[in-house]
Amino acid sequence: SQKIEQNSEALNIQEGKTATLTCNYTNYSPAYLQWYRQDPGRGPVFLLLIRENEKEKRKERLKVTFDTTLKQSLFHITASQPADSATYLCALGTGFQKLVFGTGTRLLVSP
Amino acid sequence: DTAVSQTPKYLVTQMGNDKSIKCEQNLGHDTMYWYKQDSKKFLKIMFSYNNKELIINETVPNRFSPKSPDKAHLNLHINSLELGDSAVYFCASSQGGGLAAYEQYFGPGTRLTVT
Repeated sequence: SQKIEQNSEALNIQEGKTATLTCNYTNYSPAYLQWYRQDPGRGPVFLLLIRENEKEKRKERLKVTFDTTLKQSLFHITASQPADSATYLCALGTGFQKLVFGTGTRLLVSP
Repeated sequence: DTAVSQTPKYLVTQMGNDKSIKCEQNLGHDTMYWYKQDSKKFLKIMFSYNNKELIINETVPNRFSPKSPDKAHLNLHINSLELGDSAVYFCASSQGGGLAAYEQYFGPGTRLTVT
């Protein structure tokens, strides 16, 4: 069966450290993958998009990798800040603008 | 200058009622979506429209009927509401269509509670 797995438990890190979130998938062949941030009571906000022929993408303190052999994406936030605390969702692009979302990982950055 | 707006933000209603949620985007996007986020925070696509044409219709009870009067609007009508319909419903939009990759812009959500 098709699955997208993100760490279901919250990730707690200290301010200044690098947060690494994982997204593993099975039985999908996504053309691209996206990461979104969701704060409580709000809609998801787009962060990064990476295509299947790209290994790595960066945007300011964010970095995402995409390994189609391992069927895994890693999302890194360097020099994390308490304001980075949120739930992060990965989403697989499976064609015709259809995104299939993972269940999200809650990140807590403590001062 | 809200990009994707939804009304209402909260909706509390009784089982069996019919209700509608409205969505508007001012981004000039061609594609709009409805998602459902359940109590476990799982976000699942329900419908997608591209230039007023239905292109994604997931396995959703036919009590749910989307309507797109124009490219900027996508409304969701729900008949005979059930307890299991309680969730947060998000509208989203993106440019383009087809197989290309575009980011999606989400509205603030409508929390539907069926009692």
